Amino acid sequence: GDSVTQMEGPVTLSEEAFLTINCTYTATGYPSLFWYVQYPGEGLQLLLKATKADDKGSNKGFEATYRKETTSFHLEKGSVQVSDSAVYFCALSESGGSNYKLTFGKGTLLTVNP
Amino acid sequence: DGGITQSPKYLFRKEGQNVTLSCEQNLNHDAMYWYRQDPGQGLRLIYYSQIVNDFQKGDIAEGYSVSREKKESFPLTVTSAQKNPTAFYLCASSPPLRTEAFFGQGTRLTVV
Repeated sequence: GDSVTQMEGPVTLSEEAFLTINCTYTATGYPSLFWYVQYPGEGLQLLLKATKADDKGSNKGFEATYRKETTSFHLEKGSVQVSDSAVYFCALSESGGSNYKLTFGKGTLLTVNP
Repeated sequence: DGGITQSPKYLFRKEGQNVTLSCEQNLNHDAMYWYRQDPGQGLRLIYYSQIVNDFQKGDIAEGYSVSREKKESFPLTVTSAQKNPTAFYLCASSPPLRTEAFFGQGTRLTVV
C-alpha cells in the first residue's frame, strides 16, 4: 500500500537558519502530496500541496517540489522563525475514484530557538 | 465562520465505559474522517465516510464505531473493546473532487 517516510526528529535550529525536512513516498498511482503543520495542542493545518510532478507548493516562506523521479517532496524554508516551531507532517492522497484518504508520515518536531 | 468543531477538547473516562466524540462541520463537505494520533506514530485512519448513511473502516477500526446520519455530523464512539483508547483524536473533512482535508482542533481522550 501507499506509505510516507519522513526524517525523524526532533530538529532544533537557531532563528534564521535554513530548514529541510526530507519526505519520500511510495504509491502505486499518481498521488497528491501535502505538508501539514500542527502547533501544540491543536489540529493539523494544511501548509502547502502539489498535485502533479514538478509542481512546487509554497506558503508562508515554505516550499516543496513534487519530484516523481525520486519520489520525494522535501520541505524547505530559507530562514526559520521561533513561530515555526511545530510538528510537520508529510502526507499523500490516493487518487483513485472518489477515495481521498490521506496517508501520513510520522511527523517531525521542529524547535526554533531565538 | 466555517469550520470543523470537535467537542469536548478534553475527555476523561473510566476503563470499560463507552464514550462518544463529537465532530460537526459547516463547510458543506461530503467526506469526513476520523484519525487517531499517538506520540511518534503519526496519524492513523479509523473510519471515513464519503456520503450520508455510508462509511468505511480505516486501518484501525477495531473497537470503534461511527454513524453518518447527517452531512454535518460524524460522531465517533470509542467502545470498551478498544484496548488502548487513550490518544488524541482528530476529525477531518474534505470537499468534493479535492484531495486535501481540513481538520478540527482535536479531542484528547484519557482513560483512567
